[in-house]
Amino acid sequence: NAGVTQTPKFQVLKTGQSMTLQCAQDMNHEYMSWYRQDPGMGLRLIHYSVGAGITDQGEVPNGYNVSRSTTEDFPLRLLSAAPSQTSVYFCASTPGTGPYEQYFGPGTRLTVT
Amino acid sequence: GENVEQHPSTLSVQEGDSAVIKCTYSDSASNYFPWYKQELGKGPQLIIDIRSNVGEKKDQRIAVTLNKTAKHFSLHITETQPEDSAVYFCAASRGNAGNMLTFGGGTRLMVKP
Repeated sequence: NAGVTQTPKFQVLKTGQSMTLQCAQDMNHEYMSWYRQDPGMGLRLIHYSVGAGITDQGEVPNGYNVSRSTTEDFPLRLLSAAPSQTSVYFCASTPGTGPYEQYFGPGTRLTVT
Repeated sequence: GENVEQHPSTLSVQEGDSAVIKCTYSDSASNYFPWYKQELGKGPQLIIDIRSNVGEKKDQRIAVTLNKTAKHFSLHITETQPEDSAVYFCAASRGNAGNMLTFGGGTRLMVKP
């Protein structure tokens, strides 16, 4: 199993540009989520999904959109990038409800100039 | 919502010494407390977790303690080795839908040979 994969690994955007961060998992996990990591602030939840077709907002959802059309994929869209979105983004998956381990991808480092 | 505070933000120890990282949480309904280790350039990886019905859990050189009354939990690493050098995150969750985690700010542990 490849686990959780993310692309791209690095990205530089100009303010106002749009892009999609890709996330895929091959473990048939129901739940997937997106976090952003900023220095000294740990990881903060952006959006999550409890299954195909179902998404919900996390702690810091503004400026981001998600959709979940398949169990495997959970892309994160930035419609109009802002410098405040400069961060490292992690996608994670977990088997289901309850206190199961979250499996994280390797991350995408995004810089918005 | 939940708020998790983690101390210290950086910790330097000599190889062979013990390291202790402490976290406090605010939501009395939280019942699942995992610890993640993040090596440079990688996503976080679960190293140990504890549920609210247990006061202490050990796994070789790593132990976690939980005090639900005081709402704090700690990570203890004994006989530290250079490969323990990493950033460690505590987290808390109610263990409900999607097991969404609230993370502490992280501790950078440096083990000097």
